[in-house]
Parts: sequence; C-alpha cells; structure tokens
Amino acid sequence: AQSVTQPDIHITVSEGASLELRCNYSYGATPYLFWYVQSPGQGLQLLLKYFSGDTLVQGIKGFEAEFKRSQSSFNLRKPSVHWSDAAEYFCAVVTAAGNKLTFGGGTRVLVKP
Amino acid sequence: GAGVSQTPSNKVTEKGKYVELRCDPISGHTALYWYRQSLGQGPEFLIYFQGTGAADDSGLPNDRFFAVRPEGSVSTLKIQRTERGDSAVYLCASSLGPESSYNEQFFGPGTRLTVL
Repeated sequence: AQSVTQPDIHITVSEGASLELRCNYSYGATPYLFWYVQSPGQGLQLLLKYFSGDTLVQGIKGFEAEFKRSQSSFNLRKPSVHWSDAAEYFCAVVTAAGNKLTFGGGTRVLVKP
Repeated sequence: GAGVSQTPSNKVTEKGKYVELRCDPISGHTALYWYRQSLGQGPEFLIYFQGTGAADDSGLPNDRFFAVRPEGSVSTLKIQRTERGDSAVYLCASSLGPESSYNEQFFGPGTRLTVL
C-alpha cells in the first residue's frame, strides 16, 4: 500500500527566509504527487501537482517542488516566505486507480516577523 | 462558480447519537469523496462515489458509517451510535469523472464533528 511521510511536524521560519518542506512517499508505480495547503478554517487548496515530465514543477503562491525518483521525495520550496504562508501543508499521492488520495501527516509552518 | 459546500460547519453531539453530514459538490462533478481528518493528522479516505454508486468504500472504519448519493449530486455521510473517537473534521471533495485519468479533487471547508 502507498504511504506518505512528512518528517517535520512543525517548522518555524522568519518572514523573507526560504522554506523547504520534506515529503517522502512509498509507492509501487509512477506516482501522481500533490502538495496542498490548509489555512485555519479553510478547505484544502492545491498548490501544485506532478504527474510526469519535468521534475521541477511550479505552483501557485510562488511555490515549487522537485520530484526525485531515486530518493522517493517530492520536497516543496519557496524562496521567500510571507506571513500569509503560515498554514499546514500536506503532501499526497494518488493510487493507481486515480481516485483516493493518500496524505502525509502534515507540516505546520509558523512565520516569525 | 460555487465550490464544494458542506453543512453544518460544526456539529456537537452526544455519544450514542446519530448524525448526518451533508456535501454539495461542484455542479457537473460526477465523482465525490469523503475524507476524515483527525486532530494533528492528514485526511484519510473514507469513501468514493462515481455517480450514484459507491465505487470504493474501503476507508469506512466500521458499519456505523454509511454514505449515500441517491441522485448523483448531494451526498450524506451518516454515522450511527457516535463514539468520542469519531470526533474529527469530515471533508468532502468532488472532481470531474469518470476516472479514465486523474482529475483534480476540489475540497469543501469541512464539518467539524465533536462527540461529547
């Protein structure tokens, strides 16, 4: 069965600093990978996705992620965080059947002024 | 256009009671999903509908949980004899279908269920 691991439960970063969130997956086939953001009281919003092709994908809000098959990783990055980036971030993979998402446990990002 | 809506936004109930949670998907989306998000965890899949039928209910934790989608649009998640461990945020998502290839799932804001 597929699984997703986000090793960091909390990350604190200063406003303007760079951010990297780690994601490792376990999946038998070529995965479809996603990053979602969840702000307090808000639904899950898709930041970006990887299906195939270029391993560096660009998303909304200035985020990007890099797929590394050799490391089974799909880390999320942002060069300069804004206070509004404080939220919880989830990495997810979809099954071969293409229906149910499997999520990691999430990483909560706190932004210091 | 309108996104996925869920009602109620909050539900407080007592142990042993029955609850219904409603999801209105995006118009035209034939696929509908329910997930449960316990405190401090990522969402976990419960059930997936394609049209009116449950195509995959492998995530339902036990027979106290049941979901319907009688007309292929609105869905109701039903929980009988609620337990304190059922307390969580229940998320609904919808997508275009059928799933010949992956279609993006759009999530609603969730229903926060608290069982006292």
